[in-house]
Amino acid sequence: NAGVTQTPKFQVLKTGQSMTLQCAQDMNHNSMYWYRQDPGMGLRLIYYSASEGTTDKGEVPNGYNVSRLNKREFSLRLESAAPSQTSVYFCASSEAFPDTQYFGPGTRLTVL
Amino acid sequence: RKEVEQDPGPFNVPEGATVAFNCTYSNSASQSFFWYRQDCRKEPKLLMSVYSSGNEDGRFTAQLNRASQYISLLIRDSKLSDSATYLCVVPISGGYNKLIFGAGTRLAVHP
Repeated sequence: NAGVTQTPKFQVLKTGQSMTLQCAQDMNHNSMYWYRQDPGMGLRLIYYSASEGTTDKGEVPNGYNVSRLNKREFSLRLESAAPSQTSVYFCASSEAFPDTQYFGPGTRLTVL
Repeated sequence: RKEVEQDPGPFNVPEGATVAFNCTYSNSASQSFFWYRQDCRKEPKLLMSVYSSGNEDGRFTAQLNRASQYISLLIRDSKLSDSATYLCVVPISGGYNKLIFGAGTRLAVHP
C-alpha cells in the first residue's frame, strides 16, 4: 500500500497564478485533511472532509478551495497564489476523528 | 494563551541520555492526546497516543496530568535515530473537530 500520496512534491508559482495540489489515499479512510506548515508554527488545518461528499473549512481557509473527488482523492486549489501562501502543504487521512492521521510526503510551494 | 504550547528546543543530548519534553494545552475538555514525530523535511508520523494517565512503548513514556493540563514525553537511552522534532497534538471537538498541533520540540542526539 502506498498510504497517502501527494503531487507535486515541489512547485514554484508567480503571484496570481493558480494550481491544484493532488492527494490520494489507498487505506479506505473516510476523513481527509489539508494542512499547511510554516516555520515556527504548528500544522494548521486549511480544509477537511469528514466523509465522501462533504467538505468544511478549517482554521485558515482563505485563498483555498477543495474538492473531495471520491473517497480516495481530495484536492486543494489555489485560485490566485500570493506570497503568503508559500508553505509546506500536507494532506492526511484518518478513519474518523480523532483517529490517527496518516500524512502524505508534502508539497513544498514557493510563491514569488 | 496558545491552545498547545511546546518548548521549541533544541534539546542537545548525548546518546544514552534520558530526555523529557512537556506540552501544555488550554482546552480542559480534551480527552485524548498524541505525540507525533517529524523528521527533517518529512511528514509527521504517530509516535504515541495518550488516552488516560499515560502510555509506555519501549523507551518512550507519555504521561498526562489533567489537573495541570500538560502532557510529557520521556525518552530513555536516547539513540542517534531519535533526532527529530516531536509534535504534541490535542484533538478538540465542537464547532468543527480539529487536531491542534504544537509547533514541536526539536531533539538532537549526538555521539
